[in-house]
Amino acid sequence: QKEVEQNSGPLSVPEGAIASLNCTYSDRGSQSFFWYRQYSGKSPELIMFIYSNGDKEDGRFTAQLNKASQYVSLLIRDSQPSDSATYLCAVNGGSGSSGDKLTFGTGTRLAVRP
Amino acid sequence: GAGVSQSPSNKVTEKGKDVELRCDPISGHTALYWYRQRLGQGLEFLIYFQGNSAPDKSGLPSDRFSAERTGESVSTLTIQRTQQEDSAVYLCASRTGGTDTQYFGPGTRLTVL
Repeated sequence: QKEVEQNSGPLSVPEGAIASLNCTYSDRGSQSFFWYRQYSGKSPELIMFIYSNGDKEDGRFTAQLNKASQYVSLLIRDSQPSDSATYLCAVNGGSGSSGDKLTFGTGTRLAVRP
Repeated sequence: GAGVSQSPSNKVTEKGKDVELRCDPISGHTALYWYRQRLGQGLEFLIYFQGNSAPDKSGLPSDRFSAERTGESVSTLTIQRTQQEDSAVYLCASRTGGTDTQYFGPGTRLTVL
């Protein structure tokens, strides 16, 4: 079982719609959760982080965390073509690994259709 | 302030040659990470530095790979006797001691012919 799992996609949504990206993780001791966006040929850039159960909103982005279900998601409202990228879920602080190491999922490719 | 920088941005080498990749972290960032990303794949952790010590080297794929860091500054990743399967983008990230948020550099694209 992979430590951090994401659907590779592509997830295709029309412009203006809500894009929902999902991630599950295996280490119940994980403490910190991150979403990175990676455009083709570029390095990952941080979109959001979340530590506590519930929702965290930042502009058009909302991160949702459910530690009981070991599930973290990213919602993108009013999706724009410029949101088309690969979204990487990363998890830190698991009990079975160095607490300072991020474990990444393989990413979900999002395509926003104009 | 300046972000994480890496050099070279691209490196083409012949199989069997040694290469050195450089990372300059954000000033004041005590932790530094190296990752590898093969084409179409996710990020693969290689090594982590806290200051100039490396508490986690678990991701280095073989003894051909080594890394060092000078204080809380520059790090170099060395790959000896490169193989074609070493072709990938090598990403460096750094973070300050107060958070666990990592910031990535632009990467070095390594191509082994």
